[in-house]
Amino acid sequence: AQSVAQPEDQVNVAEGNPLTVKCTYSVSGNPYLFWYVQYPNRGLQFLLKYITGDNLVKGSYGFEAEFNKSQTSFHLKKPSALVSDSALYFCAVRLVESGGSYIPTFGRGTSLIVHP
Amino acid sequence: ETGVTQTPRHLVMGMTNKKSLKCEQHLGHNAMYWYKQSAKKPLELMFVYSLEERVENNSVPSRFSPECPNSSHLFLHLHTLQPEDSALYLCASSQARATYNEQFFGPGTRLTVL
Repeated sequence: AQSVAQPEDQVNVAEGNPLTVKCTYSVSGNPYLFWYVQYPNRGLQFLLKYITGDNLVKGSYGFEAEFNKSQTSFHLKKPSALVSDSALYFCAVRLVESGGSYIPTFGRGTSLIVHP
Repeated sequence: ETGVTQTPRHLVMGMTNKKSLKCEQHLGHNAMYWYKQSAKKPLELMFVYSLEERVENNSVPSRFSPECPNSSHLFLHLHTLQPEDSALYLCASSQARATYNEQFFGPGTRLTVL
């Protein structure tokens, strides 16, 4: 079984400040982890993923995420938030091991609001 | 066209109508998905088609009927829907053989059932 938790329904941050959107996961093995963003009236758009190797993953639009195996977390970060980053963010997980389903499990989503 | 396209983008239907949603992917992927996204609810996986299998969420009512004639096209047939079926319906595709591949989503169809 696999699950994802995004503990915050909403994150508020001032423009120019660093932002963090939290994600923790639970899988019975090693995970592949993903972040997606959804702008209003649009589909989800892939941001970045962790497969293996360096725990710090860099993605689109200046976002990055850090894989922490001991804390089973994959938090999304950006050093300086923009108003245009305001959107809904989803974390997702898949199991690595053979036989693992290619179907991901998504978190509930976190609404990021960046104030001017 | 590139990516994943969905038509129509908006649909308003009565409870007795029959309509279909269409999804097309131009990415050469071999798995396609239907998701339902309702306000203040988690993303709900409805159906998956891949070369190997079809996966259904058993909680999806029979008034939703998927069809996947080939690896590039996916349909969702709708009949006698209820107002609670009003939602954003998202189509996605991926390369299923490797679980590290991300999904690509279409823009969605905003469905309103009167």
